[in-house]
Amino acid sequence: DAGVIQSPRHEVTEMGQEVTLRCKPISGHNSLFWYRQTMMRGLELLIYFNNNVPIDDSGMPEDRFSAKMPNASFSTLKIQPSEPRDSAVYFCASSLQGAGTEAFFGQGTRLTVV
Amino acid sequence: GEDVEQSLFLSVREGDSSVINCTYTDSSSTYLYWYKQEPGAGLQLLTYIFSNMDMKQDQRLTVLLNKKDKHLSLRIADTQTGDSAIYFCAENTGYSTLTFGKGTMLLVSP
Repeated sequence: DAGVIQSPRHEVTEMGQEVTLRCKPISGHNSLFWYRQTMMRGLELLIYFNNNVPIDDSGMPEDRFSAKMPNASFSTLKIQPSEPRDSAVYFCASSLQGAGTEAFFGQGTRLTVV
Repeated sequence: GEDVEQSLFLSVREGDSSVINCTYTDSSSTYLYWYKQEPGAGLQLLTYIFSNMDMKQDQRLTVLLNKKDKHLSLRIADTQTGDSAIYFCAENTGYSTLTFGKGTMLLVSP
C-alpha cells in the first residue's frame, strides 16, 4: 500500500481564494483525521471521520473550514475564503477504528496564504 | 486544559543517550504514544505503551510511564545523527483520537 496520499504537497494562494486539500486514506482504514500543524500551536486535530461520517468537528477553527468524506477512499478539507493565518501544514491520517491502533500520516500539504 | 506538555528542544552528542520527557493530562488514557517526524514528512509511530505497563523496551528505545504523575519518557540509547527529528508524545483522548504535545526537537551532533 502506498500509504496515506495527500495532494497537493505545496499550495500558495492569495488571501480570499478557495483552497481544497485532498486525502486518500489507506485502503481498509475506517477512521480519517485532519490535523493542522503550526509552530505556535503544534499539532491540532481539526476533524475526524469514522466510516465516512464526521464524528467530531470541534477543532475546525471557523465556518470558513469544511471537510467532506464522500466515500471510504477520499476526503477533502476546504477553506473558503482563505486568510494568511491559515498558513500551516495540514496532515491527513487514517487508522482502523479503536483505541491503541496506529494512525498513519500522509506527507502533509504546506499551505501558504499571501 | 488538555495540554500534553513537552520540552521543546534537546541537543545530544552521537553515542550518548537521549531522554525526552512528556506530561499528559487524561488519567483515563489507555494508550500513550511516541511519534517521530523527520523534516518534510508526516508523523510516524515509534512506539506505544499500554497504561497498565510501566516500562516497554524496543531495541534502542525505552519508554517509562509513571501513571501517578502522568509522566511519560522516551529514552534513545546510543543516539545516532539519523535520530535527529521532532518527537511527539500523544495520548488517546477519545476512542480513536489522539492529543499531541507540541513536539521536542532532538538535535544529534557528531
